[in-house]
Amino acid sequence: GESVGLHLPTLSVQEGDNSIINCAYSNSASDYFIWYKQESGKGPQFIIDIRSNMDKRQGQRVTVLLNKTVKHLSLQIAATQPGDSAVYFCAENWEYGNKLVFGAGTILRVKS
Amino acid sequence: DGGITQSPKYLFRKEGQNVTLSCEQNLNHDAMYWYRQDPGQGLRLIYYSQIVNDFQKGDIAEGYSVSREKKESFPLTVTSAQKNPTAFYLCASSLRNDEKLFFGSGTQLSVL
Repeated sequence: GESVGLHLPTLSVQEGDNSIINCAYSNSASDYFIWYKQESGKGPQFIIDIRSNMDKRQGQRVTVLLNKTVKHLSLQIAATQPGDSAVYFCAENWEYGNKLVFGAGTILRVKS
Repeated sequence: DGGITQSPKYLFRKEGQNVTLSCEQNLNHDAMYWYRQDPGQGLRLIYYSQIVNDFQKGDIAEGYSVSREKKESFPLTVTSAQKNPTAFYLCASSLRNDEKLFFGSGTQLSVL
């Protein structure tokens, strides 16, 4: 079946560098995508979201890019800090309002 | 402060025992959800409720039950029929027909 997936299970970056976390999706009908950050033992925190009628959306230090042609979603974190170390999940919404389908997550490790 | 409160943080279940996980929110959200998280996997939907006194099965509802008697509360019971209950359980809420979920801090359930 169609599902959200991630290219890299673990990403290690040096403090101060930019991070790029990737996510592939296969459901062309998905019209909403969202990124969450989860620290160990805690619940996921919303980072940023984007609808399919947009290609790019920026937040504070984060940017989400959506490439519908190749069904690819990425999260860019600028000037990565040790506090950014966490698991990052992307999710897509197949049914309006009540069904987010989550990927397995990518571990981001920031080296000082 | 507005938010979602899950309790307890850690819970142990004996063989054949039913246990109930609590989830309370004061965000005035109509919709509430329960997800299960296993290591290395994405979140999977157990049950969700869009309105008081109504709820629907998610992808993995077998062995679980819920109730929604109050808007603020959505307890999850893990019954003895759930043969592999060890997991991290996450409760979430959202405005009605809004894809963005707000998560609680989770309950880790383990089997004795």
